[in-house]
Amino acid sequence: DGGITQSPKYLFRKEGQNVTLSCEQNLNHDAMYWYRQDPGQGLRLIYYSQIVNDFQKGDIAEGYSVSREKKESFPLTVTSAQKNPTAFYLCASSTSRPTGENTIYFGEGSWLTVV
Amino acid sequence: AQSVAQPEDQVNVAEGNPLTVKCTYSVSGNPYLFWYVQYPNRGLQFLLKYITGDNLVKGSYGFEAEFNKSQTSFHLKKPSALVSDSALYFCAVRAAFSGAGSYQLTFGKGTKLSVIP
Repeated sequence: DGGITQSPKYLFRKEGQNVTLSCEQNLNHDAMYWYRQDPGQGLRLIYYSQIVNDFQKGDIAEGYSVSREKKESFPLTVTSAQKNPTAFYLCASSTSRPTGENTIYFGEGSWLTVV
Repeated sequence: AQSVAQPEDQVNVAEGNPLTVKCTYSVSGNPYLFWYVQYPNRGLQFLLKYITGDNLVKGSYGFEAEFNKSQTSFHLKKPSALVSDSALYFCAVRAAFSGAGSYQLTFGKGTKLSVIP
């Protein structure tokens, strides 16, 4: 089936650790995104990538890093510099028509908890 | 800058009654508008979008939304609510023809819909 796969579903991080969330898509989409969701705050954009080997900071990039070495993959690393990382993380992808009518499709999300 | 407001944190409706989830937006130029639904512990599912043309947009699961340019609104509606419609609903906006580097959507904070049996 075509879609976006995020793993793991649940992840626990100790203080001072870096952790990486995986995101893979087989939709042949050029653009990929990472959002953070906190209760009552909607979705906030962390990073996005329009093409392989290129990515841009979103609204809350501090404490996070990404890479885009393959079209299908867009992993997110939550570094120890992110002071409040406990949240639900959503990966997404879309086509990249410059007119902007692209629909963004989401994965099932990953829960990250600091212990 | 673009923004979305969902003025109601929660909407309660009886099963079988019509439902409306409100959304207003602010954007430079023409908008592209989207509705998504999220069930607990799941990702967002796309319901429908307005790009251009007919102001009444029909989407998945019997939902529809009405674009009103003068009121800058894009309210989500369904003629007869089901208990299974209970979920979190997000409205989102993007400026049309905003060019490269502007693919991301701006989301509202979400409205929790509860359909009471």
